[in-house]
Amino acid sequence: AQSVTQLDSQVPVFEEAPVELRCNYSSSVSVYLFWYVQYPNQGLQLLLKYLSGSTLVKGINGFEAEFNKSQTSFHLRKPSVHISDTAEYFCATYSSGGSYIPTFGRGTSLIVHP
Amino acid sequence: DVKVTQSSRYLVKRTGEKVFLECVQDMDHENMFWYRQDPGLGLRLIYFSYDVKMKEKGDIPEGYSVSREKKERFSLILESASTNQTSMYLCASQRGSQPQHFGDGTRLSIL
Repeated sequence: AQSVTQLDSQVPVFEEAPVELRCNYSSSVSVYLFWYVQYPNQGLQLLLKYLSGSTLVKGINGFEAEFNKSQTSFHLRKPSVHISDTAEYFCATYSSGGSYIPTFGRGTSLIVHP
Repeated sequence: DVKVTQSSRYLVKRTGEKVFLECVQDMDHENMFWYRQDPGLGLRLIYFSYDVKMKEKGDIPEGYSVSREKKERFSLILESASTNQTSMYLCASQRGSQPQHFGDGTRLSIL
């Protein structure tokens, strides 16, 4: 069974600072990878996805992630965060050719301070 | 634009009541899902459905059932609500291998 580990449950950061949210997955086959964002009292919204091709994926709101197959990682980055980026972030994966039911990480709470 | 609508944002019920949570999607997606979300536990899959009248158990189906009579609608049923079912419930829909689309969630309190 696949698993997704988000290494930090909470990441505090000052406004305009860079941030990296870490995600590692376990799989021996080709995978699809996703980052979702959840703002307070809302559902999850897709930030970006990796299906194939370039290992650097750009998403909405200035976020990007890099697929690293050798390290089985898919870390999310933003060079300069805003207060409005305060939210819960979820990494998810499923195997290509499988059931396409995602396995989610437990989430990382990004808290941006002024 | 893609839309998944959950009928209630907030719901308060009493223990022992039968509770219905409704979810409707307007994208003609085959797959629909129900999750519960609790602090520190992330999303846990309750049930999912690949087609009308089809249902599959997820990781935590105990105490829940589902109904999918029409392609666009997927209902979650708490047969006899208990306090440990107080949670945020999220519905999602999906086409094939594409990412899921989520509703805004229903925050359910069982008193």
